[in-house]
Amino acid sequence: DAMVIQNPRYQVTQFGKPVTLSCSQTLNHNVMYWYQQKSSQAPKLLFHYYDKDFNNEADTPDNFQSRRPNTSFCFLDIRSPGLGDAAMYLCATSARGSFTETQYFGPGTRLLVL
Amino acid sequence: QKEVEQDPGPLSVPEGAIVSLNCTYSNSAFQYFMWYRQYSRKGPELLMYTYSSGNKEDGRFTAQVDKSSKYISLFIRDSQPSDSATYLCAAGRAAGNKLTFGGGTRVLVKP
Repeated sequence: DAMVIQNPRYQVTQFGKPVTLSCSQTLNHNVMYWYQQKSSQAPKLLFHYYDKDFNNEADTPDNFQSRRPNTSFCFLDIRSPGLGDAAMYLCATSARGSFTETQYFGPGTRLLVL
Repeated sequence: QKEVEQDPGPLSVPEGAIVSLNCTYSNSAFQYFMWYRQYSRKGPELLMYTYSSGNKEDGRFTAQVDKSSKYISLFIRDSQPSDSATYLCAAGRAAGNKLTFGGGTRVLVKP
């Protein structure tokens, strides 16, 4: 089945220690998104890639970076995690140019910062 | 004011009852609307997609959009304990634009 895969599902890091979260997709979608979701809150868009074009949200801290080496993979790098960065990180994809352009989410990576 | 508002719940119903979920939005430019279901510690799963005003039915689920009142609804008939989850509404302005999510409504269906 076509899907969005996130690894790892759970990540524990130390305060200030860089961490990378991974997302891959078999949907061949041209857009990939990264969201941050804290408990009982709506997903908050951090940034997205449309093909190779990177689009950062205005309020996304510089501490968060992303890479998309090819269509299938996208990475979220947190350069110096703080306690406030503990959250669920969701990757999503969509097919820009399609009629519905719905977003399909992965299972998420839960990040714990000690 | 948030662009998409949703009552956080929890909404508790007995098994077999109809679950009624609502969202209001403020941006009249929103054209398409979605409902996602999110189980605890999992990613959101797309349930329904609606473009502009109208109704859409899929099995036990019915989505309604009333653009004149900026009101979107999701109804779940014959609710099951497995429907217990958080339901997120989302809206977008046009293809190629980001989605704006509501905060989610937590639903509990009791056996």
